[in-house]
Amino acid sequence: GENVEQHPSTLSVQEGDSAVIKCTYSDSASNYFPWYKQELGKRPQLIIDIRSNVGEKKDQRIAVTLNKTAKHFSLHITETQPEDSAVYFCAASRTDKLIFGTGTRLQVFP
Amino acid sequence: GAGVSQSPRYKVTKRGQDVALRCDPISGHVSLYWYRQALGQGPEFLTYFNYEAQQDKSGLPNDRFSAERPEGSISTLTIQRTEQRDSAMYRCASSLGAVGTGGNEQYFGPGTRLTVT
Repeated sequence: GENVEQHPSTLSVQEGDSAVIKCTYSDSASNYFPWYKQELGKRPQLIIDIRSNVGEKKDQRIAVTLNKTAKHFSLHITETQPEDSAVYFCAASRTDKLIFGTGTRLQVFP
Repeated sequence: GAGVSQSPRYKVTKRGQDVALRCDPISGHVSLYWYRQALGQGPEFLTYFNYEAQQDKSGLPNDRFSAERPEGSISTLTIQRTEQRDSAMYRCASSLGAVGTGGNEQYFGPGTRLTVT
């Protein structure tokens, strides 16, 4: 079945630095790749997504890139702020169900 | 507008009891999904509906788990004869239409934390 691997599991950065989280997927038919941010005790919140007909998408300080040939996609956060601290999950889908990665705990130190 | 809601938010039950978890999707959302999320892990797919039709139940762990959405709106996930290993956060999500076919994003509810003692 579909499998999504996510790295790193934890990431610590200084405020203002950039953070990059990487995911690889196994099903070449996957065509939708969302990223969710989950703060402690809260529900996952969609922050950005990308579809397979696009290579890159940007929304203010966050961007996602997709390499279909290599079957990997990445989340880039620039100018990190303490409020970016959370667990981030990538996911992949080829029908409707989302297959999630194992999560990255991002800590941004002031 | 109102987001996805779930009830109860917390449920403690004794092993062997049946539980019913409720999900109320965003109004007008066609698709409804159930996931289970263990502490520190990503959500794990259980089943989903388009309108009242159950499209995929491949993620349900065994036949003690079932779900329904009889009128295409509110959904209930039922776990019969609960076991301790069923303890987890159960999350519901809804989307306007089918995601993988160029449809829409999934929005998650607050979850029901189930504890089986």
